[in-house]
Amino acid sequence: GAGVSQTPSNKVTEKGKYVELRCDPISGHTALYWYRQSLGQGPEFLIYFQGTGAADDSGLPNDRFFAVRPEGSVSTLKIQRTERGDSAVYLCASSLGTSGNNEQFFGPGTRLTVL
Amino acid sequence: AQSVSQHNHHVILSEAASLELGCNYSYGGTVNLFWYVQYPGQHLQLLLKYFSGDPLVKGIKGFEAEFIKSKFSFNLRKPSVQWSDTAEYFCAVNANTGFQKLVFGTGTRLLVSP
Repeated sequence: GAGVSQTPSNKVTEKGKYVELRCDPISGHTALYWYRQSLGQGPEFLIYFQGTGAADDSGLPNDRFFAVRPEGSVSTLKIQRTERGDSAVYLCASSLGTSGNNEQFFGPGTRLTVL
Repeated sequence: AQSVSQHNHHVILSEAASLELGCNYSYGGTVNLFWYVQYPGQHLQLLLKYFSGDPLVKGIKGFEAEFIKSKFSFNLRKPSVQWSDTAEYFCAVNANTGFQKLVFGTGTRLLVSP
């Protein structure tokens, strides 16, 4: 079946602009995660959804970052007033359940470049 | 807070050489441990995982890892690498209590020369 998909694959924007990044999880996966991977680093957790609600948003760096999952499937990560430091690959993952031993399946990521 | 250390940032091997990538984690409780791999141009995929039981776990493509609780380690091994193993390898951990975010190491870039 189809894996996790993310759009766009690349996004170039100017400092101060607003961007939206989309994630389509694997069908039937109730849990959805966003991570951010900066150059030379491993992925860092941003936010996790169980169904429609954000169960843990402790990784969001500040209030410019926001994510939604209104129907419990597709999720959108929204970044306001982008800064050059927001440049990174934004990864989405989904899993069947929420316990720690459920495998997280990752999408290809969106490479965000803020000029 | 959990943390993961991967000791080698870059490793270069010839085909048929043996591989061992180090991973140490910091967390006081029971953990789940993972190795993910990212081949060039591809997305992260799970190589193997440890939840409980036999501390020696086998994954795909001939990889294995051993959980040594006393050393807080989960090193990845392969007896004989192939050119196709060229990739970046990430060790990750989460707590074994309900949902917990994955905490990743910084990754190890492996280059296998033919």
